Amino acid sequence: EDQVTQSPEALRLQEGESSSLNCSYTVSGLRGLFWYRQDPGKGPEFLFTLYSAGEEKEKERLKATLTKKESFLHITAPKPEDSATYLCAVQQPGGYQKVTFGTGTKLQVIP
Amino acid sequence: DAGVIQSPRHEVTEMGQEVTLRCKPISGHNSLFWYRQTMMRGLELLIYFNNNVPIDDSGMPEDRFSAKMPNASFSTLKIQPSEPRDSAVYFCASSRQVNQPQHFGDGTRLSIL
Repeated sequence: EDQVTQSPEALRLQEGESSSLNCSYTVSGLRGLFWYRQDPGKGPEFLFTLYSAGEEKEKERLKATLTKKESFLHITAPKPEDSATYLCAVQQPGGYQKVTFGTGTKLQVIP
Repeated sequence: DAGVIQSPRHEVTEMGQEVTLRCKPISGHNSLFWYRQTMMRGLELLIYFNNNVPIDDSGMPEDRFSAKMPNASFSTLKIQPSEPRDSAVYFCASSRQVNQPQHFGDGTRLSIL
């Protein structure tokens, strides 16, 4: 069964303390990997799509990278407003658009 | 562009009652997804429509759950009869096509007493 595992479950950082979130997957033949941010009481908000190993995407303080077995979301010099739950999701090959979500990493950035 | 719109935002009802959740996808998106999110299980796909046709409903937990998409701009998820274990946040998402990310609404928080 395809699985997506995110670690750590929760992360507490001081403002400015850089770190990385991990998303490992066992999907055969990855079609795409998505990162989302979810704030309390809101739906997941799309951040990045990665398609192939070695690919990187950046947005402000966030950078997502992809290998054949995992993806990292690097957060550089985080601010309190980066506090949220970060979800990754993987899409299998084929015409069907089903994605499998991880359970997320809850990030708290303390001023 | 308007995002995915869900209603109601909150629903509290008694066990045994019928519950109907509504979703308006983003215009031009041809795929629509219903998810359920709980602390224990995270985001679970319930059903997926493509061009208004249900493609995969294997995630629908029981016959008490049903979903329809009568046209490209509207979908409903119905629970009848509702049970306390159905309490969760239900999300609707839409996407333009294969390989495109899904865009989520802000969900319906459902509480069954």
